[in-house]
Amino acid sequence: QKEVEQDPGTLSVPEGAIVSLNCTYSNSAFQYFMWYRQYSRKGPELLMYTYSSGNKEDGRFTAQVDKSSKYISLFIRDSQPSDSATYLCAMSSTSGGTSYGKLTFGQGTILTVHP
Amino acid sequence: NAGVMQNPRHLVRRRGQEARLRCSPMKGHSHVYWYRQLPEEGLKFMVYLQKENIIDESGMPKERFSAEFPKEGPSILRIQQVVRGDSAAYFCASSPSQGGTDTQYFGPGTRLTVL
Repeated sequence: QKEVEQDPGTLSVPEGAIVSLNCTYSNSAFQYFMWYRQYSRKGPELLMYTYSSGNKEDGRFTAQVDKSSKYISLFIRDSQPSDSATYLCAMSSTSGGTSYGKLTFGQGTILTVHP
Repeated sequence: NAGVMQNPRHLVRRRGQEARLRCSPMKGHSHVYWYRQLPEEGLKFMVYLQKENIIDESGMPKERFSAEFPKEGPSILRIQQVVRGDSAAYFCASSPSQGGTDTQYFGPGTRLTVL
């Protein structure tokens, strides 16, 4: 079982739709949660960064963290064709050994927003 | 304010040759991370370095791979005697301090092709 599972693997929506992306994780030591966006053949770009459970909103993007369920989500409102990219969830921990600092990523969701 | 820089952006090597990938972190960042993205897979942590120190190399293959971050100059990821399975995108990220509390910013990546 992977430490971080992300779904869906691919998602196609019409322009203006609300997009929901999700990750579940098994390591309860994860405390920091991030969403990155990666355009084709580019490096990941940080979108959202949250610590502990709760919601965080930034423009059209909302990140949710539920540590009790080990579940995080990213919502995109009023999706645009320019949002078409791969979205990666990532997590890190500050506890234990020398592992803190490294990010553990989900497999990614390939999002297509069609006009 | 330059971001994380990586070079070369594309690198072609024949089996058995050496590959050297360079990463210059963002100004003011002293922590560097290397990740590998294989085709159809997510980003996988390889190594975490500070100046002149390897902090965590738990993701590095045991043979042929090495990394350094000297006092002066860029961080280097070296792959000796490359094989076809090393073909991937290699990303470097940097943070001002330990990534658990500070976010990591990624470079554009080096795409290695082994013929």
